[in-house]
Amino acid sequence: KAGVTQTPRYLIKTRGQQVTLSCSPISGHRSVSWYQQTPGQGLQFLFEYFSETQRNKGNFPGRFSGRQFSNSRSEMNVSTLELGDSALYLCASSTAPSTDTQYFGPGTRLTVL
Amino acid sequence: AQSVAQPEDQVNVAEGNPLTVKCTYSVSGNPYLFWYVQYPNRGLQFLLKYITGDNLVKGSYGFEAEFNKSQTSFHLKKPSALVSDSALYFCAVRASGSARQLTFGSGTQLTVLP
Repeated sequence: KAGVTQTPRYLIKTRGQQVTLSCSPISGHRSVSWYQQTPGQGLQFLFEYFSETQRNKGNFPGRFSGRQFSNSRSEMNVSTLELGDSALYLCASSTAPSTDTQYFGPGTRLTVL
Repeated sequence: AQSVAQPEDQVNVAEGNPLTVKCTYSVSGNPYLFWYVQYPNRGLQFLLKYITGDNLVKGSYGFEAEFNKSQTSFHLKKPSALVSDSALYFCAVRASGSARQLTFGSGTQLTVLP
């Protein structure tokens, strides 16, 4: 099976712009979670989707949003980018959002200038 | 609230020696525990998990972890370290029967010296 794919892998934006990141889960996986990874804050949970519904949301401002489509693919959007949004954004998929293992994609490296 | 502590930011070990990466957790109820490894500029790779059953869990690449409920620990171990094991290791916890998200520790950088 193909793993979790994320596009694009690298992105450079300027402050004030918005960005959309995409995640395609492993075939058959219906749960997708997003994380932000930075050297200072480590891995922080953004949100989790299952069957097109947001199940959980982390402690991030409303500028961070996401959605999931009927084919389980997910997108996250960050509006009005700030320098502090520079990070590695990781997507993980699992068959279900409870005990099941999350499998991670390679991430999207976002740099905000 | 649930939390994970990885008390060592950095662990150095000589190749061929046993390695241990420490993890303690706090969660309400029974925990689901995971270990992941991250190589530079890569996503996280799943190593092993504890859900229930035997306290000693075996995982990928020769790694194992021991669940200790009384000490609320889930230390990662390997009998003989390889230089290729050098990477960033993350412990994570989720409360069983909960809709809560996975909570990660701050990570431990493992360096295996040749």
